[in-house]
Amino acid sequence: SQKIEQNSEALNIQEGKTATLTCNYTNYSPAYLQWYRQDPGRGPVFLLLIRENEKEKRKERLKVTFDTTLKQSLFHITASQPADSATYLCALDIYSKAAGNKLTFGGGTRVLVKP
Amino acid sequence: GAVVSQHPSRVICKSGTSVKIECRSLDFQATTMFWYRQFPKQSLMLMATSNEGSKATYEQGVEKDKFLINHASLTLSTLTVTSAHPEDSSFYICSARDADGYTEAFFGQGTRLTVV
Repeated sequence: SQKIEQNSEALNIQEGKTATLTCNYTNYSPAYLQWYRQDPGRGPVFLLLIRENEKEKRKERLKVTFDTTLKQSLFHITASQPADSATYLCALDIYSKAAGNKLTFGGGTRVLVKP
Repeated sequence: GAVVSQHPSRVICKSGTSVKIECRSLDFQATTMFWYRQFPKQSLMLMATSNEGSKATYEQGVEKDKFLINHASLTLSTLTVTSAHPEDSSFYICSARDADGYTEAFFGQGTRLTVV
């Protein structure tokens, strides 16, 4: 079965440094991968989508890479700020004949940026 | 981005009663809506996929008779937790898309259900 794995340990980082999160997947070849941010008690918010033919994508201080050979995506937050503290989730669409595309999430990595 | 409204945000109910949670896409037509459940410090677990006008597709292990999903229109899906028990207490989140995959999903605010 398909698996999406993220580092379950919280990432503590000093303000101003770069946070790097990893998402690994198995038994699947997605056409694209998404990253979301979730704050406590709230629904996830979309951040970035990267397609299989894109090696890198940027949005402000965020950067995502996608290596389909390694089956891995890296998510970077540069010049991190305390407001970046949240849980970050990677997600893939996994297709089934019955339901079509199902957005399926990794376990998430909690990031804590200390001032 | 598009807005998905979910309510109530919090609900406390007595064991044995039923609770309905609504999920509305406010500014787009959602061909597909998803319902997730999230336990503390865990990720989102997909419960079911709901397509407008057809029966929901439930994930393995999710009781169809307990978690009734209705997607009557392109802007509204409901999840009813029937005969709720304390173990059903959780954070329920809906999401919607306006196309069949290959796009971002928009999430509701979530509903914190507590069954006493």
